[in-house]
Amino acid sequence: EAQVTQNPRYLITVTGKKLTVTCSQNMNHEYMSWYRQDPGLGLRQIYYSMNVEVTDKGDVPEGYKVSRKEKRNFPLILESPSPNQTSLYFCASRLGQGAGGELFFGEGSRLTVL
Amino acid sequence: AQRVTQPEKLLSVFKGAPVELKCNYSYSGSPELFWYVQYSRQRLQLLLRHISRESIKGFTADLNKGETSFHLKKPFAQEEDSAMYYCALRYGGATNKLIFGTGTLLAVQP
Repeated sequence: EAQVTQNPRYLITVTGKKLTVTCSQNMNHEYMSWYRQDPGLGLRQIYYSMNVEVTDKGDVPEGYKVSRKEKRNFPLILESPSPNQTSLYFCASRLGQGAGGELFFGEGSRLTVL
Repeated sequence: AQRVTQPEKLLSVFKGAPVELKCNYSYSGSPELFWYVQYSRQRLQLLLRHISRESIKGFTADLNKGETSFHLKKPFAQEEDSAMYYCALRYGGATNKLIFGTGTLLAVQP
């Protein structure tokens, strides 16, 4: 089944403890992206990647890192999490730059930083 | 700056009533606009895109460049339409960015 898979789905951690949220897609998509969803703020883009080894900042990149060593994987790294990073995170992928390209989303990862 | 505005956080209607979810955008170039939907306990998914000029699940949306709007409409709401709806704008050519509005929760009452 074609899909975007995120892990973990739920995580509670403490301030400063490094964590990684993995994202994997099996559709051979070039474009991948991370969003965070917060009440009243909608979805905001954290980082995106146009292809392997090509990443760029979105609208709210502070406190996050990403890497794209393989086409299928796009992990989100929080080196030193803080409580303001408590949020629902979504990974998404798309085939390429073509007009009308649909974004496929993962199920979301709910992160709580104490 | 590019922006997508959904003025209503919550829209509550009765089954069978017409629905209009508002979306306005700010972008000086030629926009690509989408509606995404998130049903309870499901992942976010594409509902429709303006370039396709399609009707999905009875929903339609027309791009009005003069009013910079892309409102989502359905003549008769169903209970299964209850969900969170996000309007999104794609822009930027090579950078290919997609920004979302803050979302509108549609609640269809029986």
